[in-house]
Amino acid sequence: GAVVSQHPSRVICKSGTSVKIECRSLDFQATTMFWYRQFPKQSLMLMATSNEGSKATYEQGVEKDKFLINHASLTLSTLTVTSAHPEDSSFYICSARVPRVRDTQYFGPGTRLTVL
Amino acid sequence: AQKVTQAQTEISVVEKEDVTLDCVYETRDTTYYLFWYKQPPSGELVFLIRRNSFDEQNEISGRYSWNFQKSTSSFNFTITASQVVDSAVYFCALILYNTDKLIFGTGTRLQVFP
Repeated sequence: GAVVSQHPSRVICKSGTSVKIECRSLDFQATTMFWYRQFPKQSLMLMATSNEGSKATYEQGVEKDKFLINHASLTLSTLTVTSAHPEDSSFYICSARVPRVRDTQYFGPGTRLTVL
Repeated sequence: AQKVTQAQTEISVVEKEDVTLDCVYETRDTTYYLFWYKQPPSGELVFLIRRNSFDEQNEISGRYSWNFQKSTSSFNFTITASQVVDSAVYFCALILYNTDKLIFGTGTRLQVFP
């Protein structure tokens, strides 16, 4: 149980375009999902916390207008990188928390974004 | 403020050697959880273990074992008889009770050579 999927696993786009990444909890309902960013050979940095039916909470330094997060259902959260630039190239990982088990997050397989 | 330190950036061993990955954490809270995750080259984070702050019992799972010592704020991870498939980046992480923010260490890259 507690499987999280991400789509796409890899995406290459041109500078200036927008890219949407989906995060789905497959066998449980996730009221809260999280988006992380990981640069090569670095640790994971929390970007935002996504709550179903409400606005996401962004970490300090993360541009809300650039990284749009929508959590429209209990099993799906999306991250849209708007007007992507080469510096947005990174590995994006989502995670989801099982209801009533606040401390444990289950991670998706990640999405590697390359902006040309 | 909370912090997780993994001082070992990279470790290289030869197959069948034992290896210990160090993790030191900082928090003033008394209730918290500690985790270890494995990130193979594919990128997916694989959950290995969760330990709450009140449970200092060491745990063994196959070739993996964990040593939690609150006195030194350490949660070390040992792989016995390492294998090539153990090659990955290993992250130690901390989360405070009743919060959402998972705080990761910088990771230790383990390379196991045949």
